[in-house]
Amino acid sequence: EIVLTQSPATLSLSPGERATLSCRASQSVSGYLVWYQQKPGQAPRLLIYDASNRATGIPARFSGSGSGTDFTLTISSLEPEDFAVYYCQQRVHWPPITFGQGTRLEIK
Amino acid sequence: EVQLVESGGGLIQPGGSLRLSCAASGFTVSNNFMSWVRQAPGKGLEWVSVIYSDGRTYYADSVKGRFTISRDSSKNTLYLQMNSLRADDTAVYYCAKHPPGLATLDCWGQGTLVTVSS
Repeated sequence: EIVLTQSPATLSLSPGERATLSCRASQSVSGYLVWYQQKPGQAPRLLIYDASNRATGIPARFSGSGSGTDFTLTISSLEPEDFAVYYCQQRVHWPPITFGQGTRLEIK
Repeated sequence: EVQLVESGGGLIQPGGSLRLSCAASGFTVSNNFMSWVRQAPGKGLEWVSVIYSDGRTYYADSVKGRFTISRDSSKNTLYLQMNSLRADDTAVYYCAKHPPGLATLDCWGQGTLVTVSS
């Protein structure tokens, strides 16, 4: 089973700043890495699939990069609605589907 | 519009059983991979089970032998039968749809809370 490790656990930033979130896989997942956003009290929402492709309706300030074992989610300029928890997930070696433990992006 | 609506959660005693339902609209459940994912209070996401379009099913080790995923094509509904419930099964349970043949989860329901407690 592939283990995904996200860092940092919590990221404190201000609106307008750039956010960089990391996800590292215990073995290569090629480019098959997915990102989700979860706001308090809501279900997760698909954000980025296959490392760098934005899902339908996702603003251009969200971008993903990486391949193999190291991946990054970047939010270029934080909006108030972007403060949430972000999860990565690999889709190459499944089942089981495995998620990272999440990064909480909070307002500084 | 693709929509998923879960129901069936509630308070149940340890050792009890519960069946969750996930009513789908805007697409056909039996033509898609469908998963259940759970989230314990204050914790991260944990995948529980998947049913493929061909009917094959898979489970997380933590629920294998206790939970059963199924679907009813006539009702366009996904189910999760949960038996021998334990306190550590307490969580919000989400159903989610996959794009064709992929492990990505592109649409999620709002979740239903299951609390296992005496």
